[in-house]
Parts: sequence; structure tokens; C-alpha cells
Amino acid sequence: AQSVSQHNHHVILSEAASLELGCNYSYGGTVNLFWYVQYPGQHLQLLLKYFSGDPLVKGIKGFEAEFIKSKFSFNLRKPSVQWSDTAEYFCAVKSLNTGFQKLVFGTGTRLLVSP
Amino acid sequence: DAGVIQSPRHEVTEMGQEVTLRCKPISGHDYLFWYRQTMMRGLELLIYFNNNVPIDDSGMPEDRFSAKMPNASFSTLKIQPSEPRDSAVYFCASSFTAWRGVQTPTDTQYFGPGTRLTVL
Repeated sequence: AQSVSQHNHHVILSEAASLELGCNYSYGGTVNLFWYVQYPGQHLQLLLKYFSGDPLVKGIKGFEAEFIKSKFSFNLRKPSVQWSDTAEYFCAVKSLNTGFQKLVFGTGTRLLVSP
Repeated sequence: DAGVIQSPRHEVTEMGQEVTLRCKPISGHDYLFWYRQTMMRGLELLIYFNNNVPIDDSGMPEDRFSAKMPNASFSTLKIQPSEPRDSAVYFCASSFTAWRGVQTPTDTQYFGPGTRLTVL
């Protein structure tokens, strides 16, 4: 079965530190990849997505993610985090081979940025 | 656009009671998804609809859960009877099909604010 792994469940950083959150998926076919963010008390919002083309994808608020097909990975990065980046981050994968619209989410990574 | 609307935002009920969660998708969106979020299992897809028709309900945990979409602007998720282990945040999301030479689902899902359900 298709699955998504986010190995870091909790990350604590100081402001201005660099961020990298890992995401690996198990499905070997063609996929679309997403990172969603959930700020405290708010709903999930799309941060960035990869469908095809340049494997380095840039999203909102200075975030980027790199799709490495050989490693089945889609890690999220930001060179310098801010206190306002405190949130929970979810990686999600959609298979393009099943014909279904199903997104499979990872369990999330809680990021706490201390000022 | 108001975005995806869910009601109620918070629901506290006692075990055995019926619970109905409501969702209004973004106007023009033809896909609607129900998710459940818990600390232990993260975000799980329960069921999704396309043009008001249920497409995949394999994530519905058991017969106590049912979902309907009587029209394009409204969906319900019902739990009857509710149990303490149903306590979670339930999200509704919607997405749309675009015309790119052929009808193509856009894949980006827009989430509602969620309903926090507590079953005592």
C-alpha cells in the first residue's frame, strides 16, 4: 500500500536556523507531491507542490522542496526560519496511476521556532 | 470566496449519541473529501465524492460512519452511535476539475477549518 513517512515528528529550531524536513514515499509509479502547512488554530494550507518538470520547487514564504526520484524523497527546506513558521507540516502524495484522487498524508512534523 | 465551510467548529457529545458534521465546498469544486486527524494516526482520508457520487470510501472506519452529498454544495458525515475513540478533528476539503485539453483534476485540495469532535 502507498505510504508516506515523515521521520521527524518534532523539530525545535532557533530563528534564522536552516530547516530541512524529510519526506519519503513508498509508491514507485508516477506521483504528484505536496507539502501542506497547518498553523496553530488554522486549517491546512498548500505550501508547495510538484507535478512535473524542475525537481526543485519553490513555494510560499521562502520554502522550497526537492524531488529526488531515485530516493523516493521530497524534502522541505528553508534557509532561515522565522518564529511565524511555527506550525505542523504535512507531506502528501497522490498516485497518478490509480485514477483516484486520493492524497496520502504523512503523520506530520511539528516545528517550533523559538525567538 | 469564503473557502470551505464546516460546521460546527466544536462538538462535544456523549458516547452513544449521533453526531452530524457538515461541509460546504468551494463553489464550482466537483471533488469533496472527508479526513480525520488524530495524534496517533495523523491525517486519514475517510471518503471522497466526485460530482456528488462517492468514489472511494475505503477509509471509513466502520458502519457507524456514513457520508452523504445530496447536492454540489453540501455534504454530511454522520457517526451513529459515537464512541470516545471517534474523538478527533474532522476536515473537509474540496478540489476542482480544470479543462486542459481534456478534463483534468487539479489535485490541489482546499481544506476547511475542521470540526473538533470530543466524545465523552
